[in-house]
Amino acid sequence: AQKVTQAQTEISVVEKEDVTLDCVYETRDTTYYLFWYKQPPSGELVFLIRRNSFDEQNEISGRYSWNFQKSTSSFNFTITASQVVDSAVYFCALSASFYSGGYQKVTFGIGTKLQVIP
Amino acid sequence: GAGVSQSPSNKVTEKGKDVELRCDPISGHTALYWYRQSLGQGLEFLIYFQGNSAPDKSGLPSDRFSAERTGGSVSTLTIQRTQQEDSAVYLCASSFQGARSYNEQFFGPGTRLTVL
Repeated sequence: AQKVTQAQTEISVVEKEDVTLDCVYETRDTTYYLFWYKQPPSGELVFLIRRNSFDEQNEISGRYSWNFQKSTSSFNFTITASQVVDSAVYFCALSASFYSGGYQKVTFGIGTKLQVIP
Repeated sequence: GAGVSQSPSNKVTEKGKDVELRCDPISGHTALYWYRQSLGQGLEFLIYFQGNSAPDKSGLPSDRFSAERTGGSVSTLTIQRTQQEDSAVYLCASSFQGARSYNEQFFGPGTRLTVL
C-alpha cells in the first residue's frame, strides 16, 4: 500500500519569507518515484519535480529546493523568498515503479494550500 | 497545443441525467488516468488505462461511472443518472510508460461538473 501525508493543510506567509511544505510517504517498494505538483488558482496541475528513490541528492531550481530523506521517508519542498505568484495548492505524490511495464499507480497527498501575502 | 485537453470545460446538468466527459491525452502517451477533485479536496483516483484496457478501475465510486478509451488515445468518462454528490472537477492526466519512463503525469485543465 502507498500513502502520502501532507500534514499542513494551509500555510500563510508574508512575501519574501521562506516556506517549507512537508511530505511524508509510505511504501513497501524499494524502487519508487516522488513528485511535487502545483495547482494555481486557475486549476491546472503543473508538474514541478520528480525524484527517484535511489537518488537522495537534494535539488535546487531557482527559488525552489527539495530535500529527500529516505531515513525519515520525507520529501519536503522549500520555497525561498516567496512571491505572491507562489500562492497555490501543492501536491506531493508517490509512484511505485514496475519496470516490467506494469501498472505504476500514483498516490497523491491531499495538498497544502499556500497563501503568500503581499 | 501538445498538452492534455478536456471537454467540456464546464458542464451543468440536472440530477438524473447522463453526462460524458472527454479527454485527449498527449500524443504517444500510453497511460491515461481520471481523477476527481471535490471542492477543497485532494485528488481522488478513479480509473487508469494502459492502452485501451483498464487494469485498475478500483476508484470508480459506483456502477453509474464508466470509462472507455479507444485507439489508445481519446477517453470518455460517463456518469449515468448523475447525483448532486457527483459535482466536482474531473481531471484527466496522461503519461508515457515504458521500461525507462519516469511516469510523471501531465494534467488537463479539468471539467467542472455541476449537478443541480
